[in-house]
Amino acid sequence: TQLLEQSPQFLSIQEGENLTVYCNSSSVFSSLQWYRQEPGEGPVLLVTVVTGGEVKKLKRLTFQFGDARKDSSLHITAAQTGDTGLYLCAGAWAGGTSYGKLTFGQGTILTVHP
Amino acid sequence: DAGITQSPRHKVTETGTPVTLRCHQTENHRYMYWYRQDPGHGLRLIHYSYGVKDTDKGEVSDGYSVSRSKTEDFLLTLESATSSQTSVYFCATRDSGGSSYNEQFFGPGTRLTVL
Repeated sequence: TQLLEQSPQFLSIQEGENLTVYCNSSSVFSSLQWYRQEPGEGPVLLVTVVTGGEVKKLKRLTFQFGDARKDSSLHITAAQTGDTGLYLCAGAWAGGTSYGKLTFGQGTILTVHP
Repeated sequence: DAGITQSPRHKVTETGTPVTLRCHQTENHRYMYWYRQDPGHGLRLIHYSYGVKDTDKGEVSDGYSVSRSKTEDFLLTLESATSSQTSVYFCATRDSGGSSYNEQFFGPGTRLTVL
C-alpha cells in the first residue's frame, strides 16, 4: 500500500497570513493532485502536477511537485476566509496498474478567521 | 462538472441489515470508484470499476460488494451493515481520455449511520 502523509492535519490562522500544507511519501507518483472539499460536498480538483520540480500557480495558491515526485506542497499567500475547507492531496502511484486509482492523504482542515 | 448523483443522501439503518447505495453518472465515464471518508483517514478506496461488469477491490473492501450492469450506474452494497461502516461514502468517476491525468469527479456523498 502506498501511503501519503499529509501535514498538518489542522491549521487555524488569521486572514492575511500565509500557510503551507505538505504531502510526503516514500513512493514515486506519476502524478499528484490537490483537491478542496467543502462541508456536505464532494472534493473538487484544484490542480494536477506531473513533472518533477513542477510549480503551478492558481491565484494565491502555489503548488509544487518534488524533484523525485515523492512529495508536494500547497502554499497559500494572504489567506482569506473563503479558503476555509478541507484540502486533500492524492497521488497516482507510478508503479501501479492503470485504472486511475488514487491514494489520498489524510487531509488538512484549514480554518481562516476574519 | 461531471453529472454525478448519489442516492440516498442520508440513511440511518440498523446493524445486520443490508444497504445499497447508488451512484449515477451522465458523463459516460469509463471508470467509477467508491470511497469512504472518515476523520483522520482522508478518502479510502472500497471498490472500483473499469467497465461494465468489470470491478475490483480497493484497500477497504471487506463487508462491501459492488455491481455495475450499466455504464452510468455503480452500486455499493453493505451485505450486513455494522457500526464500523458508519461513514460518508463518495462515488467518483474518471474519463478514459489520455490527458485526464487521473482527475476524478466526485458526487455529493451519502452519509450512512449504522445503529
